[in-house]
Amino acid sequence: DAKTTQPTSMDCAEGRAANLPCNHSTISGNEYVYWYRQIHSQGPQYIIHGLKNNETNEMASLIITEDRKSSTLILPHATLRDTAVYYCIVRMNYGGSQGNLIFGKGTKLSVKP
Amino acid sequence: ETGVTQSPTHLIKTRGQQVTLRCSSQSGHNTVSWYQQALGQGPQFIFQYYREEENGRGNFPPRFSGLQFPNYSSELNVNALELDDSALYLCASSLGGDVANQPQHFGDGTRLSIL
Repeated sequence: DAKTTQPTSMDCAEGRAANLPCNHSTISGNEYVYWYRQIHSQGPQYIIHGLKNNETNEMASLIITEDRKSSTLILPHATLRDTAVYYCIVRMNYGGSQGNLIFGKGTKLSVKP
Repeated sequence: ETGVTQSPTHLIKTRGQQVTLRCSSQSGHNTVSWYQQALGQGPQFIFQYYREEENGRGNFPPRFSGLQFPNYSSELNVNALELDDSALYLCASSLGGDVANQPQHFGDGTRLSIL
């Protein structure tokens, strides 16, 4: 079972910031938080990941609380093309092999004009 | 850099038949994972291959099998197809081994329909 809890759906106005929450209260010390999104009829797209520090890249920012029990993905200026299902995933950091991803149902983000 | 490519994009089979799906990993990646995504659900892990060996398997029966080749491309084979095997099959590649914590990058999948 997925180890994360996300709202089923969210709306966001075009041009505004989209803040997608995720709860992962049972996360362990060596597990990372990963975010992917899936636009209709495409494969999941990697967005960002982090352990305990906040992270930013060209797509988004990831804010992880100090106790690591929750996180927020921020899309700073949402566009219509950001409409997708967003998955928050907790993943073990494997050294000698790569852990699989356990997907939940994600959050359906609808960006509206 | 070339991303993950999967073939074919769509496929129709009948119950009892066998199918082979193919995946070319992203340049420089040595690990391939396969996922099944039923309509309206998140992807479910089938298995992973690292350096041509199976390296982890999800809750799928033995009629789901795979191969990884020396160039790190991969195949997913499904025997004795059932109606419930209708799904989007996704392949993801990553850099495994001693390079830890590398994200998986997905192809756009093969849509398999069983009649």
